[in-house]
Amino acid sequence: SQTIHQWPATLVQPVGSPLSLECTVEGTSNPNLYWYRQAAGRGLQLLFYSVGIGQISSEVPQNLSASRPQDRQFILSSKKLLLSDSGFYLCAWTRDNYEQYFGPGTRLTVT
Amino acid sequence: QKEVEQDPGPLSVPEGAIVSLNCTYSNSAFQYFMWYRQYSRKGPELLMYTYSSGNKEDGRFTAQVDKSSKYISLFIRDSQPSDSATYLCAKGKTSGSRLTFGEGTQLTVNP
Repeated sequence: SQTIHQWPATLVQPVGSPLSLECTVEGTSNPNLYWYRQAAGRGLQLLFYSVGIGQISSEVPQNLSASRPQDRQFILSSKKLLLSDSGFYLCAWTRDNYEQYFGPGTRLTVT
Repeated sequence: QKEVEQDPGPLSVPEGAIVSLNCTYSNSAFQYFMWYRQYSRKGPELLMYTYSSGNKEDGRFTAQVDKSSKYISLFIRDSQPSDSATYLCAKGKTSGSRLTFGEGTQLTVNP
């Protein structure tokens, strides 16, 4: 069966510091991968999606970036965090079907 | 106008009540529809998906789609306190493509 992991689970970072969040999927190959951000009490905002290694599409202009160095690994990064980057970051995957499955999320607080 | 509009809630019901959660969408290109359940501080969990008009039942849950009026609903029968969560509707256009989410309805089932 497929499993999706995210780490860290919780992160507190000062403004201006760098960020690296990691997502890995097990049990499948060549998945489509997604990064979402969820502000408190709000819906999901798609940030990036990837259909293959090195292929990244950005949905929202911001100071975040994404990379996919391996087939089942998706990384969200920032060089300098802003207060507005605080939120709940979710990674998701899908393959040749309709269902999209989410990881447990990373709660980021920028202070 | 947002592509997906969801009843904002919050919704509070007594245990055993029938719950109706609703979404409307504006883009007729959407082909398939999903409901996710999200417990506090957790990733969304796929509850049901469908890609045709009509009803789809799974235990106490029924998803209803009316493509002519661009309206989808999730019914929960015999609601339980464990159903207390935020429910997100989502729509997609093609298999493996990005999803568009509603902002979620927070449900509380009181014992």
